[in-house]
Amino acid sequence: KAGVTQTPRYLIKTRGQQVTLSCSPISGHRSVSWYQQTPGQGLQFLFEYFSETQRNKGNFPGRFSGRQFSNSRSEMNVSTLELGDSALYLCASAGGGFTEAFFGQGTRLTVV
Amino acid sequence: QQQVKQSPQSLIVQKGGISIINCAYENTAFDYFPWYQQFPGKGPALLIAIRPDVSEKKEGRFTISFNKSAKQFSLHIMDSQPGDSATYFCAASIEGQNFVFGPGTRLSVLP
Repeated sequence: KAGVTQTPRYLIKTRGQQVTLSCSPISGHRSVSWYQQTPGQGLQFLFEYFSETQRNKGNFPGRFSGRQFSNSRSEMNVSTLELGDSALYLCASAGGGFTEAFFGQGTRLTVV
Repeated sequence: QQQVKQSPQSLIVQKGGISIINCAYENTAFDYFPWYQQFPGKGPALLIAIRPDVSEKKEGRFTISFNKSAKQFSLHIMDSQPGDSATYFCAASIEGQNFVFGPGTRLSVLP
């Protein structure tokens, strides 16, 4: 069973640009959640999509957005990048409810 | 109220010793409490999880103790091994959604 796949693994962007990250969940999983991980703030919840609908949203500015497609693949977009957006972005997929959430290896975003 | 506190920030244990990491929460609506293990360059991986209707759950060398009245839960790693050296995160969620993570504990097990 293939795990959660995130692409790309590494990205370097310039301040002010925008970026799109991709996450392919485990086959059959309909829930995809996104997290930002930084040394200072730890793991912070961005948002969760379930069956193409945003089900939960964390406390991040509107520059952070996402969507989910009919095949459960999800994309996360960050517009007008700031230096502080440099982080490891993780996505997790789950079957819903109390089932285990599986994380991908993350996308390391560096904003210069 | 959404915060999950975790201590210690870092922990050094001798091989064969017991590692104990503690977490506390405020929101009594939380009903699912997992622990994740993360190695450098990898995403977090679920170790063990508990629901508030039980006070303890054991899987191999890993045990969660849960105190609902104190709103605290802890991870015990028995017979700690160098391969257990990683960062550990506790988390809490409502109905398995919208996880709130603790800040993490960096565990080093000395050979």
